[in-house]
Amino acid sequence: EAGVTQFPSHSVIEKGQTVTLRCDPISGHDNLYWYRRVMGKEIKFLLHFVKESKQDESGMPNNRFLAERTGGTYSTLKVQPAELEDSGVYFCASSQGLGVRTEAFFGQGTRLTVV
Amino acid sequence: DAKTTQPPSMDCAEGRAANLPCNHSTISGNEYVYWYRQIHSQGPQYIIHGLKNNETNEMASLIITEDRKSSTLILPHATLRDTAVYYCIVRVVGGNTPLVFGKGTRLSVIA
Repeated sequence: EAGVTQFPSHSVIEKGQTVTLRCDPISGHDNLYWYRRVMGKEIKFLLHFVKESKQDESGMPNNRFLAERTGGTYSTLKVQPAELEDSGVYFCASSQGLGVRTEAFFGQGTRLTVV
Repeated sequence: DAKTTQPPSMDCAEGRAANLPCNHSTISGNEYVYWYRQIHSQGPQYIIHGLKNNETNEMASLIITEDRKSSTLILPHATLRDTAVYYCIVRVVGGNTPLVFGKGTRLSVIA
């Protein structure tokens, strides 16, 4: 069974440009989460989808970040326009969410560098 | 904010058991204890979770005190590949609330 897949693995963009990160969760997982780790800081929650609906987006830093999950399958996280402080590693995770099988599985992350 | 407290770092000799403590004195009756780890440059990896009974799987054992205010993750025979940051996280039972990561414990396994 394939795990959580993220694209691209690395991205280097200039300040002011737009970047779109993609996450393919494990098949059948209704829950999808985005997290971010800025250098030297802890891993921080950004938002949570249940199927195609945003369950919790309290961690989104500002309106330059837009997440979508059309059809309840893969998700995208767009940063527009990117700022220097957006640099970091963006992780996606998914979970089945049935009964006690609530453990979340993470992708390898997308390392975003804004220059 | 994370509801757990962990030592910032620990060392363990290769082949020996690594015992990683976690304090969660404010844990609620409906919260599980989860453990994840992050090996350098990889995504966090699920290890184990438990409510009140001790748990064991192919990766580790989880010992939870009777009052549930603390727990210990045990890696029975640590290898160099177990060098990572280990996170202890409390999370509501049956829910799918986001994981709240603290600073974790950086475990260094030494040859």
